[in-house]
Amino acid sequence: KNQVEQSPQSLIILEGKNCTLQCNYTVSPFSNLRWYKQDTGRGPVSLTIMTFSENTKSNGRYTATLDADTKQSSLHITASQLSDSASYICVVSASNSGGYQKVTFGIGTKLQVIP
Amino acid sequence: KAGVTQTPRYLIKTRGQQVTLSCSPISGHRSVSWYQQTPGQGLQFLFEYFSETQRNKGNFPGRFSGRQFSNSRSEMNVSTLELGDSALYLCASGHPGTSGGVSTDTQYFGPGTRLTVL
Repeated sequence: KNQVEQSPQSLIILEGKNCTLQCNYTVSPFSNLRWYKQDTGRGPVSLTIMTFSENTKSNGRYTATLDADTKQSSLHITASQLSDSASYICVVSASNSGGYQKVTFGIGTKLQVIP
Repeated sequence: KAGVTQTPRYLIKTRGQQVTLSCSPISGHRSVSWYQQTPGQGLQFLFEYFSETQRNKGNFPGRFSGRQFSNSRSEMNVSTLELGDSALYLCASGHPGTSGGVSTDTQYFGPGTRLTVL
């Protein structure tokens, strides 16, 4: 069964500190992995997307890494800001036989940045 | 460029009723996907439409259905509502992309419709 597990479930950090969120998956055959940021009351917004051949991708203060061998990804946030408070969702896509993608979502990590 | 819009934003229904939600994708996007988001289950894929055809479907009962019109707007219908259908329903429009031959379609999400079933 394709699964995506994220840890921790929730995290509280001080403004200005760094943090790392984890995503482990069993999705196969792997196509791509995305990280989304979802603010409360809003739809998710794409942060990064990585394919099998990419092991790191940055978007400003967000850096995602991918280890396709161990099926792990991380999202590192540097110099956190209050506006980083949100849920971060890991999404892994598998290629199905129809040529389209089967998408599996993690349940998300809820990050709270406090002053 | 306007983003993905969903209507209504909030909806309250009672068990047994049916509901229709609407999604207007970003201009030029032909792919529309629907998701259900609940606190316990997270985001779950419902279905995807492309050029008026359903091309992908998640594991939801037949009470959940959808369609896409020629202008790419999409509707989702839920019949015989149950209490467990209370959720945030998100629509996303897709912009195709590839990287190294691998599909990397970017999805842009709307704000969602918050459905409460009483």
